[in-house]
Amino acid sequence: AQSVTQLDSHVSVSEGTPVLLRCNYSSSYSPSLFWYVQHPNKGLQLLLKYTSAATLVKGINGFEAEFKKSETSFHLTKPSAHMSDAAEYFCVVSDQADTGNQFYFGTGTSLTVIP
Amino acid sequence: DSGVTQTPKHLITATGQRVTLRCSPRSGDLSVYWYQQSLDQGLQFLIQYYNGEERAKGNILERFSAQQFPDLHSELNLSSLELGDSALYFCASSERGGSSYNEQFFGPGTRLTVL
Repeated sequence: AQSVTQLDSHVSVSEGTPVLLRCNYSSSYSPSLFWYVQHPNKGLQLLLKYTSAATLVKGINGFEAEFKKSETSFHLTKPSAHMSDAAEYFCVVSDQADTGNQFYFGTGTSLTVIP
Repeated sequence: DSGVTQTPKHLITATGQRVTLRCSPRSGDLSVYWYQQSLDQGLQFLIQYYNGEERAKGNILERFSAQQFPDLHSELNLSSLELGDSALYFCASSERGGSSYNEQFFGPGTRLTVL
């Protein structure tokens, strides 16, 4: 069965400092992994995705994530936080099943950026 | 703007009532997914339709049902509403139904309040 664990429910960083949001996954298959961001009262927006090509994936707004199979991790990073990065972040694993691709969401990490 | 539209944006109703939420996928997308987001349960996958047919089922209650029409828009019907059904309901769409590589594009959501 597929599942995702986001290790921190809340992360707080100062503006201009690095961001690290941690995600571990469990998957029976070679997984597809995604990070989505949700700003307050908004829908979810795709940040980046891993689909078995390069293990270091670059996304929008300066975010990137590295797929580490040995650690079953897909942590999201950004070198320098911006105030506009304050939002909820979801790590997602996708089920590669014949019956359709279900998304399994982590519980989310709320990122606060301190000016 | 993801290209996925949902109506209405807000819905307030009473316990025991029935409501219908509507979703129009991105142009060309054949798959539609419904999710429920609540504070205590997080983001839960409800159901997926692909080109008019049910493709995958998640944690959808028997009081809830959905369908996808020939023009590919979808409706989620919630009946015998309870206070606990109050949540944000998201619709998402993707190009195909069976590949885990496809990201899902999320609509802005419908906020349902049951009083």
